[in-house]
Amino acid sequence: KAGVTQTPRYLIKTRGQQVTLSCSPISGHRSVSWYQQTPGQGLQFLFEYFSETQRNKGNFPGRFSGRQFSNSRSEMNVSTLELGDSALYLCASSITLAFTGELFFGEGSRLTVL
Amino acid sequence: KQEVTQIPAALSVPEGENLVLNCSFTDSAIYNLQWFRQDPGKGLTSLLLIQSSQREQTSGRLNASLDKSSGRSTLYIAASQPGDSATYLCAVEETSGSRLTFGEGTQLTVNP
Repeated sequence: KAGVTQTPRYLIKTRGQQVTLSCSPISGHRSVSWYQQTPGQGLQFLFEYFSETQRNKGNFPGRFSGRQFSNSRSEMNVSTLELGDSALYLCASSITLAFTGELFFGEGSRLTVL
Repeated sequence: KQEVTQIPAALSVPEGENLVLNCSFTDSAIYNLQWFRQDPGKGLTSLLLIQSSQREQTSGRLNASLDKSSGRSTLYIAASQPGDSATYLCAVEETSGSRLTFGEGTQLTVNP
C-alpha cells in the first residue's frame, strides 16, 4: 500500500514568487492536512481538507491557500514568497475527519526562499 | 490555547539503556495523543496513538502512557539501539477540532 506522496521534494524560489506543492494521500483516505515545520516554530498546522472542503485552518496569512480534488489529492499554494516561508511542508492523510486517530505523513517538500 | 512541551530537548545515551521521554500539555480536553518519530530531513512516522480513555499503549520496545488529568505523557524506550536515534515528537488532538498541536521534540542520540 503506497504511502503519502509529496512533490516536489525540494525546491528553491526567490522572494515574491509563488509556489504550489502537491500531496497524494494514501488510497482510501479522504482527509488531508498540511503542516509547516521550521527550526524556530516547530510544527504548525496550516489547514485540513475533507471531501474537497476546507474544514479547519491554522493561523497563517491569506498568502497560504490550498484545495482538494475529487480524488482526495491536495495542493497548497504560497503566493508572494517571503524568506520566512522557508520550511519543510508536511502533508498528512487520514481516513476520516474529526477525531481522526492516526495520521500518516509524507516525506515533505523542503522549500528554500532566497 | 493548547501548549505542548517536551523535556528534555536533547538526550544522548549509550546503547542498551532504558530511557523516558516526557511530554506535557496545558489543556486536558484532548481526544488523543500521538508519539511520532522523525529522522533528519524526513517526514513523521507514527509510533503510538493513545486515545483519551486509555492509559497506555505498547508496541515492541516502546510504551507510551497518558495521564490526561495531569496533562502528561511519557514514552518509554527499552534497550535502546543506535537505530533509535531520531527526534521524537508528541502531539495532541483536541476535542475541539482535528488539528494536532505538536511539541518541539526530543532529539535522541543512542551511542554504540
